[in-house]
Amino acid sequence: AQSVTQPDIHITVSEGASLELRCNYSYGATPYLFWYVQSPGQGLQLLLKYFSGDTLVQGIKGFEAEFKRSQSSFNLRKPSVHWSDAAEYFCAVGTMEYGNKLVFGAGTILRVKS
Amino acid sequence: GAVVSQHPSRVICKSGTSVKIECRSLDFQATTMFWYRQFPKQSLMLMATSNEGSKATYEQGVEKDKFLINHASLTLSTLTVTSAHPEDSSFYICSARAPGQAEAFFGQGTRLTVV
Repeated sequence: AQSVTQPDIHITVSEGASLELRCNYSYGATPYLFWYVQSPGQGLQLLLKYFSGDTLVQGIKGFEAEFKRSQSSFNLRKPSVHWSDAAEYFCAVGTMEYGNKLVFGAGTILRVKS
Repeated sequence: GAVVSQHPSRVICKSGTSVKIECRSLDFQATTMFWYRQFPKQSLMLMATSNEGSKATYEQGVEKDKFLINHASLTLSTLTVTSAHPEDSSFYICSARAPGQAEAFFGQGTRLTVV
């Protein structure tokens, strides 16, 4: 079965500092990979996605993520965090074999200190 | 494009009543829709997959008689929480996918509170 691990429940970074949120998945085939952001009480906003091709993907709001097959990872990065980035971030994995339904990680809550 | 609208965004109902949540794909035809539930401070858990014109497929542990899913058209799926109880209070989110596409698009979510 598919599984997604986000090992960091909370992360606090200073405004302007760089950010990396970790995501590891467990699945045999090449998955589709997603990062979503959720503000309190709100729905999900897609930051970026990986289906195939270039393993470094660019997303909205200055985020990027790199797919590393050998490490089964899809870590999210941002070079300079803004206070408005404070939110909860979810990594999700889907595969055609499982009908493209998504399995979500537990989420990482990002706090930004000024 | 690829807009999914979910209604209502918030609903409060009395224990024992039923609540219907709608999920609409506004600018594409969605042969498959997914329903997720998110408890406070937790991640999203898939409840069921609905395919237009056929019965929904429920994930293990989800009561199909309690969470009725109907996907009668290519743009609309509904989730009805029957005989709601306070423990059903949660954030319910749908997503919709067009035929042959890998990506599904999410609605805004529905905050259900059962009192």
